[in-house]
Amino acid sequence: GEDVEQSLFLSVREGDSSVINCTYTDSSSTYLYWYKQEPGAGLQLLTYIFSNMDMKQDQRLTVLLNKKDKHLSLRIADTQTGDSAIYFCAGPDSGAGSYQLTFGKGTKLSVIP
Amino acid sequence: GAVVSQHPSRVICKSGTSVKIECRSLDFQATTMFWYRQFPKQSLMLMATSNEGSKATYEQGVEKDKFLINHASLTLSTLTVTSAHPEDSSFYICSASLTDTEAFFGQGTRLTVV
Repeated sequence: GEDVEQSLFLSVREGDSSVINCTYTDSSSTYLYWYKQEPGAGLQLLTYIFSNMDMKQDQRLTVLLNKKDKHLSLRIADTQTGDSAIYFCAGPDSGAGSYQLTFGKGTKLSVIP
Repeated sequence: GAVVSQHPSRVICKSGTSVKIECRSLDFQATTMFWYRQFPKQSLMLMATSNEGSKATYEQGVEKDKFLINHASLTLSTLTVTSAHPEDSSFYICSASLTDTEAFFGQGTRLTVV
């Protein structure tokens, strides 16, 4: 099955860029996802990338995928205090069928004003 | 770490029947639990936020009369899929919050309606 690892904490100053990293094990993953959880709220899908892409940009968000190293990253440009949240990387668990996602434990991003 | 137990992990039911899925926080009290659904080959989508002792808050497009959520205690939330139809077949997952910034996930329930 899929195993997803990510660092637990990241602290950046407002206005700087944030980079959250994730590694995964299932090379057959077709999609990889980033979810955001704000304090007191549920998960919200932030962005995703298809496995045939190396990069996806969406406004301040840039997702980079290195399939060779099974490494996924999320870059947030011009980080704001409102970006403070927990960010989860997730990949499908091919061993469990197309339904099931395996999530990392989440990276808590703290933005210092 | 904190453990969230979801039961059952798999269930097959006949069309028209109701299915109850339980989500328990085993070693902590969770004032808030979240229910998600994953459609085939799609990502997880938040269905509703369940708060202990109050009505659940449903996301837009989620039928609250079809997906009944009961958060009866600080350690248990249930999702009942009423009058299930084949299109309700999906993967349902819950999560429970320990603090405002930590969430732990159940292992998920694969529902198949035949």
